[in-house]
Amino acid sequence: QKEVEQDPGPLSVPEGAIVSLNCTYSNSAFQYFMWYRQYSRKGPELLMYTYSSGNKEDGRFTAQVDKSSKYISLFIRDSQPSDSATYLCAMSEWSGNTGKLIFGQGTTLQVKP
Amino acid sequence: EAGVAQSPRYKIIEKRQSVAFWCNPISGHATLYWYQQILGQGPKLLIQFQNNGVVDDSQLPKDRFSAERLKGVDSTLKIQPAKLEDSAVYLCASSFEGNQPQHFGDGTRLSIL
Repeated sequence: QKEVEQDPGPLSVPEGAIVSLNCTYSNSAFQYFMWYRQYSRKGPELLMYTYSSGNKEDGRFTAQVDKSSKYISLFIRDSQPSDSATYLCAMSEWSGNTGKLIFGQGTTLQVKP
Repeated sequence: EAGVAQSPRYKIIEKRQSVAFWCNPISGHATLYWYQQILGQGPKLLIQFQNNGVVDDSQLPKDRFSAERLKGVDSTLKIQPAKLEDSAVYLCASSFEGNQPQHFGDGTRLSIL
């Protein structure tokens, strides 16, 4: 069983739709949770960064963490064609100075005009 | 603020040859990471440096991979000899400290013939 599971998609939605992206994990020691966006032939770009459980909102993006269920989500409101990319969830124990991120395999999103 | 710089962007070599990748992190970032991203997967940590010391190299195939970060700034990752399964994108990331969000470069895409 992988430490982090993410549906690879692809996910195709019309412009303006609400998108829900999800990851589940097995390691209860994970404390820090991130979402990265990766365009084709580019490096991952940090979108959201949260610590422990709860919600965090930034513009059209909302990240949710439910540690009791070992489940994290990213919601994108009013999706735009420019949101078409691969979305990677990542998480870390961050014990001491070790910052190793464990990534999901990524969900490919296409937003159609 | 300039981002993480990596070179070359692309490299094609034959198996059993050697190759080296270079990374210049964001100015002031003490922590530097090398990740391997195989097509269709999330990045996997190879090695983490704190200044010029190694924090975690548990997933680095040390029989063929080596990395250094002399002077605690730039870093070089080397593969010698390369195998077909090393075909991947090699991503460099940096963070201010080991428990801070990581920012990625655009990677070096390596193809082994």
